[in-house]
Amino acid sequence: SQTIHQWPATLVQPVGSPLSLECTVEGTSNPNLYWYRQAAGRGLQLLFYSVGIGQISSEVPQNLSASRPQDRQFILSSKKLLLSDSGFYLCAWGQESSYNSPLHFGNGTRLTVT
Amino acid sequence: AQTVTQSQPEMSVQEAETVTLSCTYDTSESDYYLFWYKQPPSRQMILVIRQEAYKQQNATENRFSVNFQKAAKSFSLKISDSQLGDAAMYFCAYRRRRNSGGSNYKLTFGKGTLLTVNP
Repeated sequence: SQTIHQWPATLVQPVGSPLSLECTVEGTSNPNLYWYRQAAGRGLQLLFYSVGIGQISSEVPQNLSASRPQDRQFILSSKKLLLSDSGFYLCAWGQESSYNSPLHFGNGTRLTVT
Repeated sequence: AQTVTQSQPEMSVQEAETVTLSCTYDTSESDYYLFWYKQPPSRQMILVIRQEAYKQQNATENRFSVNFQKAAKSFSLKISDSQLGDAAMYFCAYRRRRNSGGSNYKLTFGKGTLLTVNP
């Protein structure tokens, strides 16, 4: 069965420090991968998605970047965090071959920038 | 661009009773998919139910069912015999059908409805 792992679960970082959040998927190949951010009291905003190794699409301009060095690995990064980067970050995967396939989410990372 | 609107920021229901959560969406597409996700306090996103736009029959999953009105672009979720474990944030989401030769799809989410279940 497929599983998705996301870490760390919680992170507190000072303003200006770097960020690296990692997500890996097991039990499937060539998944579509996504990073969403959920601000307090708001819905989910898509930040990045990837349809293959090295292929990254950005949905909104921001201080963050994403990379996909391996088929089932998706990394969210920042060189210098801003206070506004605080939030709950969710990684998700979906299978392109299944039209009605939903997204499957990781457990999320709560990021607090101080 | 597609948008999803959940007009009820909060709802409450008595245990064992029925509640309906509203969702409307805006799209120019004719073929798409709709989903309801549940996010309990653990914050994990859990798929509740899905609906394919080309199917007229409303989807059901045990105590969960939808009322899909394509012409009205409405997709409400009905929870019957509500249980304490149903308390969560509920998100409605839209996804268009894959483009021919395309290689991505994205879910667009509403802002959510916080459901409280009273014992």
